[in-house]
Parts: sequence; C-alpha cells; structure tokens
Amino acid sequence: GQNIDQPTEMTATEGAIVQINCTYQTSGFNGLFWYQQHAGEAPTFLSYNVLDGLEEKGRFSSFLSRSKGYSYLLLKELQMKDSASYLCAVMDSNYQLIWGAGTKLIIKP
Amino acid sequence: GAVVSQHPSRVICKSGTSVKIECRSLDFQATTMFWYRQFPKQSLMLMATSNEGSKATYEQGVEKDKFLINHASLTLSTLTVTSAHPEDSSFYICSARGLAAQETQYFGPGTRLLVL
Repeated sequence: GQNIDQPTEMTATEGAIVQINCTYQTSGFNGLFWYQQHAGEAPTFLSYNVLDGLEEKGRFSSFLSRSKGYSYLLLKELQMKDSASYLCAVMDSNYQLIWGAGTKLIIKP
Repeated sequence: GAVVSQHPSRVICKSGTSVKIECRSLDFQATTMFWYRQFPKQSLMLMATSNEGSKATYEQGVEKDKFLINHASLTLSTLTVTSAHPEDSSFYICSARGLAAQETQYFGPGTRLLVL
C-alpha cells in the first residue's frame, strides 16, 4: 500500500531551527509537496521537490532523497506565526496526491 | 502562486436542505479540481476528483448521489451537498490544478458547513 509518515507533533522555540521529516512508500513518484495549514484555514503551498537535493526559499528549505524515500522541511529563524500543521504529500505514478497526516508545529516564546 | 476562490466561506443550513459550494480558479485554467473534507483535528480527506467536461471520480465511501460535482468549465467546479444532515457538517476545501498532471494543486480558502 501507499504510506506517508511524518511526526504528529513537534515543539520548537522562537528564533530556532526545526526540521520536519517525511518518509514515503508510494507506487511511483512524480514529486513531493509541502503545504502549511493554519488552524481553521485551508492549506497553502510551500514547496515542490522532484529531484534529489535541497530547495531553499527564504526561511524555508525542503530536501529530497528519492533513493531513501525521504524528505524534510527545514524552518529557520522560527516565528510565532509559523505555528501550524505542515503536510507532506507525494504525487504517485497516476499523478494522485497521497497525503501525510500532517505535523503540528508548536512554537514557544 | 495561483489563486483559487471558494464561495460561500461559511454556511449554516437546516437538515434536509441542499447546499452548493463554488470553486473558481481566478488566474489559471484548471483542468482538474479536487474536493476535500476535513473534520476538526483530522487529516484532509479527498472526496472526489473532477475533470472539466467529464464525470467526477469519487473516492471509496463517498456517495456520488449525495455529493454532486459539476465541472462545467476550466475555471469553475461546484459541489452540492444534497439533503444535508448534521453529520455532513465539516470544512470543505477545493483545490485546482493546471493543465499538466504534475502541476501543483492550489487550494481555495475552504467552506465551513454547519447543518442544524
């Protein structure tokens, strides 16, 4: 079956760095997406990786290793507004998005 | 990023009535639109995938006669919850994807439905 694993919850301190991991087993691979979802709101797109390596976008970076079925989202200089759920999603061979359950990130002052 | 709108943002209705939710891609053509449902503190659940001009594909366990989906143009899809009941109360979110299958899905802001 298809499976996306990410931690349920993480806690970090304002100004620090946090890494949210995502491992996946899917039938085929056409890219991995990270979305941010604040409580009560719809998800917003953060990043897309289809090749191995690190993609940097401001304070957020996303890494992919296809051979290991692994990705992480790195958030630097954490701000209180970064408190949200972070969703990992993999596009399979049928171009369907397989969603992880999301990681709730709690930022403490 | 691309902009997707959803209307209404919030609706309260009586049990037994039907509710229509609109999803529009404002600055791109969406060949495919997706409808999700999310209960409080739970994951996104894909309900159906709709392609412009063809019938929607429903996920297992989702009643197609209860959740009517129409995708009549490249910028508009509608979800109608027919004969709504309190258990249908949820956060309904649409997303839209451009012409290429591997393109990013962009989400609308969601519609919060409360059935009394």
